Amino acid sequence: QQPVQSPQAVILREGEDAVINCSSSKALYSVHWYRQKHGEAPVFLMILLKGGEQKGHDKISASFNEKKQQSSLYLTASQLSYSGTYFCGTEKAGGKIIFGKGTRLHILP
Amino acid sequence: NAGVMQNPRHLVRRRGQEARLRCSPMKGHSHVYWYRQLPEEGLKFMVYLQKENIIDESGMPKERFSAEFPKEGPSILRIQQVVRGDSAAYFCASSPSRGRGPVAGANVLTFGAGSRLTVL
Repeated sequence: QQPVQSPQAVILREGEDAVINCSSSKALYSVHWYRQKHGEAPVFLMILLKGGEQKGHDKISASFNEKKQQSSLYLTASQLSYSGTYFCGTEKAGGKIIFGKGTRLHILP
Repeated sequence: NAGVMQNPRHLVRRRGQEARLRCSPMKGHSHVYWYRQLPEEGLKFMVYLQKENIIDESGMPKERFSAEFPKEGPSILRIQQVVRGDSAAYFCASSPSRGRGPVAGANVLTFGAGSRLTVL
C-alpha cells in the first residue's frame, strides 16, 4: 500500500522543469508532498484533498487525480535550493500517512 | 514555538542494549507519528499515537519495539535488545487535531530533526 514514486532520481540544470509522479493502488483520501534536504528533517510543501485539485507554492505546484489515484508535483524554472529528496505521502482513513520511497532531485548550476 | 524536539540527536548502543528516543510535539499538537529511515531510503511508517492512545501500530516490529505518548511528557520510542539492523534515523512528526491545523480535515505533519541510532 506504499505509494509508488517516479522517477527515482532526476538531475537538472538550473532553470529546467521537472515532474515527479506518485501513484497508489488504493483509494486516496489526500496526498501530501514533503521535501527533505540531506541530513535534515522533511519539510511540508503542500497537501491536496480533492480529486483534480491543483495547488501552487512559488514555482512548485501539484495536481491530484482522484479517479486515477495519482498525484504529480511540478517544479518549474528549478533553482539550486530545490535540490533534495521529494516524498509523496498518502493519508488513509484514520489518519495514518504512508510515504513513497522518494525522488532524489539534484540541480546543477 | 520550538517546533518538534527530538532527543538524543545521536545515540550509540551496543548489541543487546536498550535505546530510548524521545519526541516532544509542537505546542498544541496532540498527534505523534514515528518513522524510520535507512540511508538513501524512504520514510517507513512505524506508529501513530494520540495522548495515551496508540491509534495505529501496524508498522512496528512485533518484538522489541514499543511506543507511548503519555498524558504528560514526551512520546517515547523504545527499542529493547538492539541489533545492528536497528541502526537508522528515527523521525518523529506531530500534527494538531484534525481540522485544527492549516488545512481543515487533514493531518499536516511537522517533523523533528531526527534521532540517529548506531548499533555497534
